[in-house]
Amino acid sequence: GAVVSQHPSWVICKSGTSVKIECRSLDFQATTMFWYRQFPKQSLMLMATSNEGSKATYEQGVEKDKFLINHASLTLSTLTVTSAHPEDSSFYICSARDWDRGVHEQYFGPGTRLTVT
Amino acid sequence: AQSVAQPEDQVNVAEGNPLTVKCTYSVSGNPYLFWYVQYPNRGLQFLLKYITGDNLVKGSYGFEAEFNKSQTSFHLKKPSALVSDSALYFCAVRATDSWGKLQFGAGTQVVVTP
Repeated sequence: GAVVSQHPSWVICKSGTSVKIECRSLDFQATTMFWYRQFPKQSLMLMATSNEGSKATYEQGVEKDKFLINHASLTLSTLTVTSAHPEDSSFYICSARDWDRGVHEQYFGPGTRLTVT
Repeated sequence: AQSVAQPEDQVNVAEGNPLTVKCTYSVSGNPYLFWYVQYPNRGLQFLLKYITGDNLVKGSYGFEAEFNKSQTSFHLKKPSALVSDSALYFCAVRATDSWGKLQFGAGTQVVVTP
């Protein structure tokens, strides 16, 4: 149980285009999801906290107009990178909290590798 | 604010030898501490957590960690390392806010040689 999926697992796009990444909790309801960004051989940087039915809370320094987050249902959150540029190339990872399993549990997706050319 | 430090970028150990990955933390209030492992191009896998109770926490794949409040440490240990344990390990502390955001350490690359 407690599986989180991401789609796509990797994507290549041209500079200036937008890319949408999906994060799904497959066997539980996730009222809260988190989006992270990871550069090669570096730690995870929290970008935003996504709550079902409300606006995402962005971390300081993260452009909310560039990284659009939508959490429309209890099992799906999406991250859209708008007008992508090469510096947006990164590994994006989502995680989800399962409140039914306890407030401490957070489950991670497998990540999405974004390459902007 | 909370923070996590992993002082070693890389740990090298021979297969069969004990493995230790160090982690120290700084947090106001009670610490909620976690260890995760990441394999190349993959998400994070949960290993273990300390919330309260016994200072020695046992987790997945034979790993364990000891919470030491006086030294503000939460070192990850495995008595006998395997080549398959070679991966990137992250220590994390949970924020005390209602959303439970995780603050990650920089990560420690573990290399286990045959």
